[in-house]
Order: sequence, then structure tokens, then C-alpha cells
Amino acid sequence: DVKVTQSSRYLVKRTGEKVFLECVQDMDHENMFWYRQDPGLGLRLIYFSYDVKMKEKGDIPEGYSVSREKKERFSLILESASTNQTSMYLCASSLTVRGTEAFFGQGTRLTVV
Amino acid sequence: DAKTTQPTSMDCAEGRAANLPCNHSTISGNEYVYWYRQIHSQGPQYIIHGLKNNETNEMASLIITEDRKSSTLILPHATLRDTAVYYCIVRVAVGIQGAQKLVFGQGTRLTINP
Repeated sequence: DVKVTQSSRYLVKRTGEKVFLECVQDMDHENMFWYRQDPGLGLRLIYFSYDVKMKEKGDIPEGYSVSREKKERFSLILESASTNQTSMYLCASSLTVRGTEAFFGQGTRLTVV
Repeated sequence: DAKTTQPTSMDCAEGRAANLPCNHSTISGNEYVYWYRQIHSQGPQYIIHGLKNNETNEMASLIITEDRKSSTLILPHATLRDTAVYYCIVRVAVGIQGAQKLVFGQGTRLTINP
């Protein structure tokens, strides 16, 4: 019954490393999203994609990039990880049609040391 | 973006109905109200959504006021496993391609007490 799968549940990386967070959905959704969640700040949108190879910046895109080469897969890339990118990262997907729900993955807790 | 406001926290006794309020006074006419919940260290889980009419599913009921400026999520017989943060969310369009992002507030931390 798993619909949105994130590749790692927990991840520890060193400052300056290039980090890839992978997300796969099996519902043929057009839209995919990456959020980060921090205490007191709630969920904030980093990037989203509305089609293959199409992407838009969210509210906090600085320090991140994304890739969507296939419809089912949306990758978040930290080009040079920093300690302030330590966070819970959540992937979601949805149809474009209004009135349909979005589905979230279980989250990746990333720690940058 | 349409904003939502919710109480920071609520308590409810096990077996009783939990009623979680939400204000969304700036909601547009075609924006749906969604409810999600998040249990510690997990991704948000969809509960229910509605536009104008009241809705019910196996998890909860959603009551939307006639002017659509507020809604209430009802968990009819709360259990300990319903302890979570509950988010009332409006989806807003982003860009020109029709994608809709979920705009999260701080949510209500619901604690079900034995």
C-alpha cells in the first residue's frame, strides 16, 4: 500500500558533501514536492515539479536543486551540505486536479555534521 | 496564500469525540480545505477534505460553515493512537501549470488521555 517512498529514513553527511535525497511515487501523479520541517517553523516548500523535467522554486530554494528525469522520481540535491540543512525532509505527490489529496513519504531525517 | 489558524494544543479523553477547529477566513471560493495529521517522526497522513458540504469518511467528519470561513474536524471516538499534530490546510495554486502546494500552519497538538 506504499505510495510515496523516500530512499532513506535517516542520513548523516559531512559538511561540504553532495547529498541526494530520492523520492518515488507509484500513483502517476504530475506534481511532486519537497518540503523541509523544522521545530517552530513547520513545513516549508523547497521545490516542486509539475511535469517531467519541469521545476519551480518554492519558498526556500537556496542551497538546493532538484531533478525530475522520470515522472515517478523526484530528487532533491544538496550541492554542498551545510549544518543549517540538518532537518526532516518530506516528499509529497499529487494530481493537478483540485479536490484530490496529496500523499507524503515517511520523511528523511538528515543530519549534517 | 490563504492562511489557516488553529489552537496550539488540545486535550481529549479517550473514547470521547475530539473537535478540532480551524479558521480560514481568507479562503477563496474554489479552494478546498484539507486536514492532515502527523504522528511523531512520520510523514503527514491525509484525513479528509471538503469544499462546501460536510464530509465523512472512515477516519473523521468535516464540518464546514456556510460562509466557509471556518471548519471543524471531528474524530468521533478518539483513541490513544489519535495523539498527533493535526493540520488544517488550504491548497494554493503555484506557477501557471496548475500545481497546488499545501500551505502548512503550525497545527494543533492533540493529546488523547486515557
